Amino acid sequence: GDSVTQMEGPVTLSEEAFLTINCTYTATGYPSLFWYVQYPGEGLQLLLKATKADDKGSNKGFEATYRKETTSFHLEKGSVQVSDSAVYFCALSGRNYGQNFVFGPGTRLSVLP
Amino acid sequence: NAGVTQTPKFRVLKTGQSMTLLCAQDMNHEYMYWYRQDPGMGLRLIHYSVGEGTTAKGEVPDGYNVSRLKKQNFLLGLESAAPSQTSVYFCASNRDSLGTEAFFGQGTRLTVV
Repeated sequence: GDSVTQMEGPVTLSEEAFLTINCTYTATGYPSLFWYVQYPGEGLQLLLKATKADDKGSNKGFEATYRKETTSFHLEKGSVQVSDSAVYFCALSGRNYGQNFVFGPGTRLSVLP
Repeated sequence: NAGVTQTPKFRVLKTGQSMTLLCAQDMNHEYMYWYRQDPGMGLRLIHYSVGEGTTAKGEVPDGYNVSRLKKQNFLLGLESAAPSQTSVYFCASNRDSLGTEAFFGQGTRLTVV
């Protein structure tokens, strides 16, 4: 079945550091790919998405590019802020009947001032 | 738009008691999901539904039942609560099986004592 793997956390960075969180996937066909963010005590919010190969999703300074050749969707931000501290989930949505939304295990990011 | 609404937000149960968690979405989505999230862990799928009147088991279905009598509502039931069911429960929905994004509720924090 479809699956998502992402780097284990926690990740601790200083403010203004560069962030990369790796995500790779296994899926049949051509899924859509997502990054969700969960701030403490809240539900998951969509951060960005890409629906086809070579698409770049971006939002709030975060970017991720859909790489079909490497089955990857790595999350990057050039300069993190304390307010970016959260748990980040990589996910895919397949184009098949049934359970079509699959999440990675999440990566906790802590940004220190 | 309310999006996805979960009730209640908090609940404390005694072992052996029963309860129902309600998830309502106003986006006319076909797919709905129930997840649980435990400390330090990602999301685990309990049950899901691909349309009104349908339900299916996810990764951790034991001890839970669900119903989808109306398209907009997805109910999660605990017939006899156990301390192992202490968790935060999230409901989500997405439109179809064509790679669309999922929308989440704010969560229900359940404690079984």
